[in-house]
Amino acid sequence: RKEVEQDPGPFNVPEGATVAFNCTYSNSASQSFFWYRQDCRKEPKLLMSVYSSGNEDGRFTAQLNRASQYISLLIRDSKLSDSATYLCVVNPAFWGQGGKLIFGQGTELSVKP
Amino acid sequence: DVKVTQSSRYLVKRTGEKVFLECVQDMDHENMFWYRQDPGLGLRLIYFSYDVKMKEKGDIPEGYSVSREKKERFSLILESASTNQTSMYLCASSRGQSSLETQYFGPGTRLLVL
Repeated sequence: RKEVEQDPGPFNVPEGATVAFNCTYSNSASQSFFWYRQDCRKEPKLLMSVYSSGNEDGRFTAQLNRASQYISLLIRDSKLSDSATYLCVVNPAFWGQGGKLIFGQGTELSVKP
Repeated sequence: DVKVTQSSRYLVKRTGEKVFLECVQDMDHENMFWYRQDPGLGLRLIYFSYDVKMKEKGDIPEGYSVSREKKERFSLILESASTNQTSMYLCASSRGQSSLETQYFGPGTRLLVL
């Protein structure tokens, strides 16, 4: 079983739609969680961290469910510029291990006019 | 603003050549990482380093070595390039050991081995 699993998609949605991605992780001791965004042929960039209480940044909402070991990302009012691959990322350690992160394979989103 | 730079955006090498990929970060980060990214396989960690002269194997170290002689610089070496090492190589850095630290990536090097 992969440590971090995501539906690869693609998710094809019209502009203005609401879309949600889920991600599951296998290590129940995992401490920190993030969503990264990767545009085509570019490097991954941090989109947002995911906090236990859930957090929102504009049209983006991230939630964590520790009991079920999944993380979600909700995008409201999708824009064409949201088209990208979204990577679910987990840090399994509280401290140390050189800051290693575990990356999911990514979910591809395509927003159409 | 953190900046991670990689020595080349595109590189073409021949089978058997020794290949050096350089990565430099300008934010005094402790940790540096080398990944490769292939379609359908996602990001795979090759090696990482949490201090000068320290290195740790990642998930796929075979065929690669690394060097970290200075804190800001982390080099990936392909001792004898093979066609299955054709890939996108991404370098990243992070500040410290807290689980809250995120990684910052360089723009990547697309390597083609003929």
